[in-house]
Amino acid sequence: DIQMTQSPSSLSASVGDRVTITCQASQDISNYLNWYQQKPGKAPKLLIYDASNLETGVPSRFSGSGSGTDFTFTISSLQPEDIATYYCQQYDNLPPVTFGGGTKVEIK
Amino acid sequence: QLQLQESGPGLVKPSETLSLTCTVSGGSISSSSYYWGWIRQPPGKGLEWIGSIYYSGSTYYNPSLKSRVTISVDTSKNQFSLKLSSVTAADTAVYYCARRTLVGALDAFDIWGQGTMVTVSS
Repeated sequence: DIQMTQSPSSLSASVGDRVTITCQASQDISNYLNWYQQKPGKAPKLLIYDASNLETGVPSRFSGSGSGTDFTFTISSLQPEDIATYYCQQYDNLPPVTFGGGTKVEIK
Repeated sequence: QLQLQESGPGLVKPSETLSLTCTVSGGSISSSSYYWGWIRQPPGKGLEWIGSIYYSGSTYYNPSLKSRVTISVDTSKNQFSLKLSSVTAADTAVYYCARRTLVGALDAFDIWGQGTMVTVSS
């Protein structure tokens, strides 16, 4: 199985800050990576697909980059409504689909 | 717009079989662009993919659960179902059903149900 390692596991930042989360795959997954946002008590929501494509309706402050084994998710200007846990997910070499361990984002 | 809704018992006894159904509304389950999947999340933990099914009945499962999992589809009812046998407390989780869309560069779980909590306890 391909393992996905996310870091950090949690972070605290101020409104307006730039926030960066990384996700590392245990082997080359090309650009077969998605990012999800999960707010407390809610289902995950797709934000970024194919490593860097913004899902329809998602604010442009969210972005993704990377390929191979190293990926980055960025919130350019953190907003109060962005408080959530963020997950990466790979879809190369299925099964199984695998998710990263998650990054909890809080407001400082 | 398309919606997914999980249903089934919220409490299952150890060693018994967990059974859940996902009803798809606002669209057809019989489309060549989609797979339909189950994902779970133990309390306070991350996401684990259980398995997925195509409308034709073709399935693929997480190898870690494969011996205990059966996913089936009923196109006449626009539903797909999960059965997980021989459950233990470790299977206690929120269970989500989700649509996996494969169109162009998009290959992702883009629509999710609200989730249903299943507790394994005697």
